Amino acid sequence: AQKITQTQPGMFVQEKEAVTLDCTYDTSDQSYGLFWYKQPSSGEMIFLIYQGSYDEQNATEGRYSLNFQKARKSANLVISASQLGDSAMYFCAMRPLFGNEKLTFGTGTRLTIIP
Amino acid sequence: DTGVSQDPRHKITKRGQNVTFRCDPISEHNRLYWYRQTLGQGPEFLTYFQNEAQLEKSRLLSDRFSAERPKGSFSTLEIQRTEQGDSAMYLCASSLPQGWGDTEAFFGQGTRLTVV
Repeated sequence: AQKITQTQPGMFVQEKEAVTLDCTYDTSDQSYGLFWYKQPSSGEMIFLIYQGSYDEQNATEGRYSLNFQKARKSANLVISASQLGDSAMYFCAMRPLFGNEKLTFGTGTRLTIIP
Repeated sequence: DTGVSQDPRHKITKRGQNVTFRCDPISEHNRLYWYRQTLGQGPEFLTYFQNEAQLEKSRLLSDRFSAERPKGSFSTLEIQRTEQGDSAMYLCASSLPQGWGDTEAFFGQGTRLTVV
Protein backbone atom coordinates (compact mmCIF):
# COMPACT_ATOMS: atom_id res chain seq x y z
CA ALA A 1 0.00 0.00 0.00
CA GLN A 2 1.10 3.53 -0.66
CA LYS A 3 0.31 6.69 1.23
CA ILE A 4 0.94 10.37 0.52
CA THR A 5 0.75 13.00 3.26
CA GLN A 6 0.45 16.73 2.60
CA THR A 7 0.27 18.56 5.91
CA GLN A 8 -0.35 22.09 4.63
CA PRO A 9 -4.04 22.58 3.79
CA GLY A 10 -3.43 26.15 2.66
CA MET A 11 -0.59 28.59 2.10
CA PHE A 12 -0.41 32.31 1.33
CA VAL A 13 2.70 33.63 -0.39
CA GLN A 14 3.70 37.06 -1.64
CA GLU A 15 4.14 37.35 -5.39
CA LYS A 16 7.74 36.80 -6.57
CA GLU A 17 8.70 34.91 -3.44
CA ALA A 18 9.69 31.23 -3.46
CA VAL A 19 7.40 28.68 -1.84
CA THR A 20 7.90 25.09 -0.67
CA LEU A 21 4.98 22.67 -0.60
CA ASP A 22 5.56 19.65 1.64
CA CYS A 23 4.98 16.02 0.70
CA THR A 24 5.93 12.87 2.56
CA TYR A 25 5.20 9.37 1.36
CA ASP A 26 5.17 5.79 2.52
CA THR A 27 5.61 2.73 0.35
CA SER A 28 7.05 -0.76 0.44
CA ASP A 29 8.02 -0.61 -3.23
CA GLN A 30 11.69 -0.34 -4.11
CA SER A 31 11.11 1.50 -7.36
CA TYR A 32 8.53 4.22 -7.62
CA GLY A 33 7.76 7.53 -9.21
CA LEU A 34 6.72 10.76 -7.51
CA PHE A 35 4.60 13.38 -9.26
CA TRP A 36 3.28 16.84 -8.61
CA TYR A 37 0.08 18.07 -10.22
CA LYS A 38 -1.55 21.51 -10.21
CA GLN A 39 -5.33 21.81 -10.21
CA PRO A 40 -6.72 25.27 -11.01
CA SER A 41 -10.34 26.10 -10.35
CA SER A 42 -11.22 24.77 -13.82
CA GLY A 43 -10.66 21.26 -12.46
CA GLU A 44 -8.02 19.89 -14.82
CA MET A 45 -4.99 18.21 -13.22
CA ILE A 46 -1.87 19.65 -14.82
CA PHE A 47 1.35 17.64 -14.59
CA LEU A 48 4.25 19.69 -13.22
CA ILE A 49 7.22 17.51 -12.41
CA TYR A 50 8.37 13.92 -11.93
CA GLN A 51 11.04 12.27 -9.78
CA GLY A 52 12.03 8.62 -10.01
CA SER A 53 13.18 6.86 -6.88
CA TYR A 54 16.35 5.84 -8.69
CA ASP A 55 17.22 9.43 -9.69
CA GLU A 56 20.15 10.78 -7.73
CA GLN A 57 19.59 14.36 -8.82
CA ASN A 58 16.58 16.45 -7.95
CA ALA A 59 14.21 17.07 -10.85
CA THR A 60 13.74 20.57 -12.21
CA GLU A 61 11.26 21.96 -14.73
CA GLY A 62 11.49 25.69 -15.26
CA ARG A 63 10.39 27.40 -12.02
CA TYR A 64 9.55 24.04 -10.42
CA SER A 65 12.02 21.85 -8.60
CA LEU A 66 11.50 18.78 -6.51
CA ASN A 67 13.50 18.45 -3.29
CA PHE A 68 13.79 14.66 -3.05
CA GLN A 69 15.10 13.20 0.20
CA LYS A 70 14.77 9.45 -0.11
CA ALA A 71 15.86 8.57 3.42
CA ARG A 72 13.27 10.94 4.85
CA LYS A 73 10.67 9.83 2.28
CA SER A 74 9.94 13.39 1.33
CA ALA A 75 9.37 14.99 -2.07
CA ASN A 76 8.76 18.68 -1.55
CA LEU A 77 7.86 20.97 -4.45
CA VAL A 78 9.67 24.28 -4.68
CA ILE A 79 8.22 27.05 -6.84
CA SER A 80 10.61 29.92 -7.43
CA ALA A 81 9.53 33.48 -8.20
CA SER A 82 5.84 32.79 -7.64
CA GLN A 83 3.27 34.35 -9.97
CA LEU A 84 -0.43 35.14 -9.54
CA GLY A 85 -1.23 32.32 -11.94
CA ASP A 86 0.32 29.84 -9.52
CA SER A 87 -2.72 30.15 -7.26
CA ALA A 88 -4.29 26.67 -7.32
CA MET A 89 -4.50 23.33 -5.52
CA TYR A 90 -1.31 21.29 -5.65
CA PHE A 91 -1.27 17.52 -5.31
CA CYS A 92 1.61 15.18 -4.64
CA ALA A 93 1.17 11.66 -6.02
CA MET A 94 3.10 8.43 -6.43
CA ARG A 95 2.95 5.05 -8.10
CA PRO A 96 5.15 1.98 -8.38
CA LEU A 97 7.30 1.99 -11.49
CA PHE A 98 6.17 -1.48 -12.52
CA GLY A 99 3.01 -3.47 -12.12
CA ASN A 100 0.41 -1.36 -10.34
CA GLU A 101 -0.74 1.45 -12.57
CA LYS A 102 -2.69 3.65 -10.23
CA LEU A 103 -1.57 6.98 -8.86
CA THR A 104 -2.05 7.55 -5.13
CA PHE A 105 -2.68 11.21 -4.30
CA GLY A 106 -2.37 13.30 -1.18
CA THR A 107 -5.11 15.65 0.04
CA GLY A 108 -3.51 18.66 -1.57
CA THR A 109 -2.37 22.15 -0.61
CA ARG A 110 -4.24 25.26 -1.67
CA LEU A 111 -1.70 27.91 -2.65
CA THR A 112 -2.75 31.53 -2.86
CA ILE A 113 -0.36 34.12 -4.29
CA ILE A 114 -0.85 37.61 -2.90
CA PRO A 115 -0.10 40.59 -5.19
CA ASP B 1 -6.30 16.72 -30.50
CA THR B 2 -4.64 18.67 -27.75
CA GLY B 3 -5.64 16.75 -24.64
CA VAL B 4 -8.06 14.49 -22.81
CA SER B 5 -11.68 15.47 -23.37
CA GLN B 6 -14.57 14.71 -21.02
CA ASP B 7 -18.27 15.15 -21.58
CA PRO B 8 -20.38 16.50 -20.01
CA ARG B 9 -18.51 18.98 -17.81
CA HIS B 10 -21.38 19.19 -15.36
CA LYS B 11 -24.29 16.86 -14.63
CA ILE B 12 -27.13 17.32 -12.16
CA THR B 13 -29.34 14.30 -11.68
CA LYS B 14 -32.01 13.10 -9.33
CA ARG B 15 -31.26 10.30 -6.93
CA GLY B 16 -32.03 6.94 -8.48
CA GLN B 17 -31.36 8.01 -12.07
CA ASN B 18 -28.63 6.53 -14.27
CA VAL B 19 -25.85 8.72 -15.68
CA THR B 20 -23.13 8.10 -18.24
CA PHE B 21 -19.92 10.04 -18.75
CA ARG B 22 -17.61 9.94 -21.74
CA CYS B 23 -13.85 10.32 -21.96
CA ASP B 24 -11.80 10.74 -25.14
CA PRO B 25 -8.11 10.18 -24.40
CA ILE B 26 -5.11 11.52 -26.27
CA SER B 27 -5.13 9.54 -29.50
CA GLU B 28 -1.84 7.65 -29.19
CA HIS B 29 -2.34 6.79 -25.50
CA ASN B 30 -3.35 3.18 -24.93
CA ARG B 31 -3.86 3.50 -21.18
CA LEU B 32 -6.95 5.16 -19.77
CA TYR B 33 -7.84 5.78 -16.12
CA TRP B 34 -10.88 6.91 -14.17
CA TYR B 35 -10.55 8.71 -10.84
CA ARG B 36 -13.09 10.20 -8.45
CA GLN B 37 -12.44 13.36 -6.44
CA THR B 38 -14.65 14.49 -3.60
CA LEU B 39 -14.50 17.93 -2.02
CA GLY B 40 -11.30 18.56 -0.11
CA GLN B 41 -9.68 15.32 -1.20
CA GLY B 42 -7.22 14.18 -3.79
CA PRO B 43 -8.35 12.00 -6.67
CA GLU B 44 -8.98 8.33 -5.87
CA PHE B 45 -8.38 5.59 -8.41
CA LEU B 46 -11.45 3.81 -9.79
CA THR B 47 -10.31 1.72 -12.74
CA TYR B 48 -7.96 1.55 -15.69
CA PHE B 49 -7.83 0.14 -19.20
CA GLN B 50 -5.02 -0.95 -21.43
CA ASN B 51 -6.50 -0.71 -24.90
CA GLU B 52 -9.95 -2.28 -24.52
CA ALA B 53 -9.07 -4.50 -21.56
CA GLN B 54 -10.11 -3.37 -18.09
CA LEU B 55 -7.13 -4.47 -16.01
CA GLU B 56 -7.87 -3.19 -12.54
CA LYS B 57 -10.89 -2.03 -10.56
CA SER B 58 -10.88 -0.36 -7.17
CA ARG B 59 -13.11 -1.51 -4.35
CA LEU B 60 -14.63 1.97 -4.66
CA LEU B 61 -16.24 0.77 -7.89
CA SER B 62 -19.43 -0.77 -6.56
CA ASP B 63 -21.79 -2.92 -8.62
CA ARG B 64 -23.65 0.24 -9.64
CA PHE B 65 -20.59 1.46 -11.53
CA SER B 66 -19.48 0.12 -14.88
CA ALA B 67 -16.80 1.31 -17.24
CA GLU B 68 -16.15 0.32 -20.82
CA ARG B 69 -13.67 1.05 -23.55
CA PRO B 70 -15.11 -0.92 -26.43
CA LYS B 71 -12.61 -0.23 -29.19
CA GLY B 72 -9.67 0.88 -27.14
CA SER B 73 -10.36 4.52 -27.89
CA PHE B 74 -12.98 6.46 -25.91
CA SER B 75 -14.36 5.21 -22.61
CA THR B 76 -17.67 5.52 -20.79
CA LEU B 77 -18.38 5.41 -17.08
CA GLU B 78 -21.97 4.62 -16.10
CA ILE B 79 -23.46 4.97 -12.65
CA GLN B 80 -26.78 3.24 -12.10
CA ARG B 81 -29.31 4.21 -9.43
CA THR B 82 -27.29 7.24 -8.36
CA GLU B 83 -27.00 8.11 -4.68
CA GLN B 84 -26.14 11.42 -3.05
CA GLY B 85 -22.77 9.96 -2.06
CA ASP B 86 -21.90 9.67 -5.75
CA SER B 87 -21.67 13.45 -5.99
CA ALA B 88 -18.07 14.15 -6.95
CA MET B 89 -15.75 15.17 -9.75
CA TYR B 90 -15.01 12.24 -12.09
CA LEU B 91 -11.63 12.61 -13.74
CA CYS B 92 -10.35 10.71 -16.74
CA ALA B 93 -6.65 10.42 -17.60
CA SER B 94 -4.59 8.74 -20.28
CA SER B 95 -0.96 7.81 -20.71
CA LEU B 96 1.51 6.00 -22.91
CA PRO B 97 2.63 2.56 -21.79
CA GLN B 98 4.44 2.70 -18.49
CA GLY B 99 8.13 2.38 -18.86
CA TRP B 100 11.40 3.27 -17.30
CA GLY B 101 10.80 6.99 -17.11
CA ASP B 102 8.42 9.79 -16.40
CA THR B 103 5.26 8.35 -17.87
CA GLU B 104 2.89 10.93 -16.54
CA ALA B 105 -0.85 10.69 -16.87
CA PHE B 106 -2.64 13.54 -18.66
CA PHE B 107 -5.97 14.46 -17.14
CA GLY B 108 -9.15 15.86 -18.58
CA GLN B 109 -11.12 18.68 -16.98
CA GLY B 110 -13.47 16.27 -15.30
CA THR B 111 -17.22 15.80 -15.05
CA ARG B 112 -18.76 17.28 -11.94
CA LEU B 113 -21.74 15.17 -10.83
CA THR B 114 -24.33 16.49 -8.40
CA VAL B 115 -27.01 14.09 -7.18
CA VAL B 116 -30.05 15.84 -5.69
